[in-house]
Amino acid sequence: EDKVVQSPLSLVVHEGDTVTLNCSYEVTNFRSLLWYKQEKKAPTFLFMLTSSGIEKKSGRLSSILDKKELFSILNITATQTGDSAVYLCAAVNAGGTSYGKLTFGQGTILTVHP
Amino acid sequence: NAGVTQTPKFQVLKTGQSMTLQCAQDMNHEYMSWYRQDPGMGLRLIHYSVGAGITDQGEVPNGYNVSRSTTEDFPLRLLSAAPSQTSVYFCASSRTGSGDQPQHFGDGTRLSIL
Repeated sequence: EDKVVQSPLSLVVHEGDTVTLNCSYEVTNFRSLLWYKQEKKAPTFLFMLTSSGIEKKSGRLSSILDKKELFSILNITATQTGDSAVYLCAAVNAGGTSYGKLTFGQGTILTVHP
Repeated sequence: NAGVTQTPKFQVLKTGQSMTLQCAQDMNHEYMSWYRQDPGMGLRLIHYSVGAGITDQGEVPNGYNVSRSTTEDFPLRLLSAAPSQTSVYFCASSRTGSGDQPQHFGDGTRLSIL
């Protein structure tokens, strides 16, 4: 059974801090790993990672995948109150009857205080 | 761009009632899926479709039916609502299910079963 585990489950920081969110996975026929940010409504797409060691960046956010050790991290530098959200990690199984299936972790609740 | 549109946004049902959650996308995506989100459990896949006329079960399919008569629409039917189906339901779509493109989510339907 595919499994994705995120840590920590919750994190409270102050504006300006840097945070690192962790995601480990066990997925057969692994194809890619995705990070989403969820505020009050739909999860919104942040990053898709398919290759090990290649960092993806978008402003203050960055992410990297390690396919040997089966984990990914999401870094947020100089955090702002607007970064407060649930961050979801999901792994894609692209094989056989599980084609395209996303397995999600429990999410990390990030709270940024002013 | 409308993206993924879900209706209704909120619904309250009595145990035993049936209803259909609507999902439509205007991006000509082949792959569509339904998830439910419960506290502490992340998002879990209910059913998915790789194209018109093709559907398959996900992780938690019991009590739900789907059909895909057109590329655009992927309705989710609750046959006989039970309190355990109280949840937030998300529909998502992507160009394919290969894992090379991210899935994009609708704003969700919050469903309460009394």
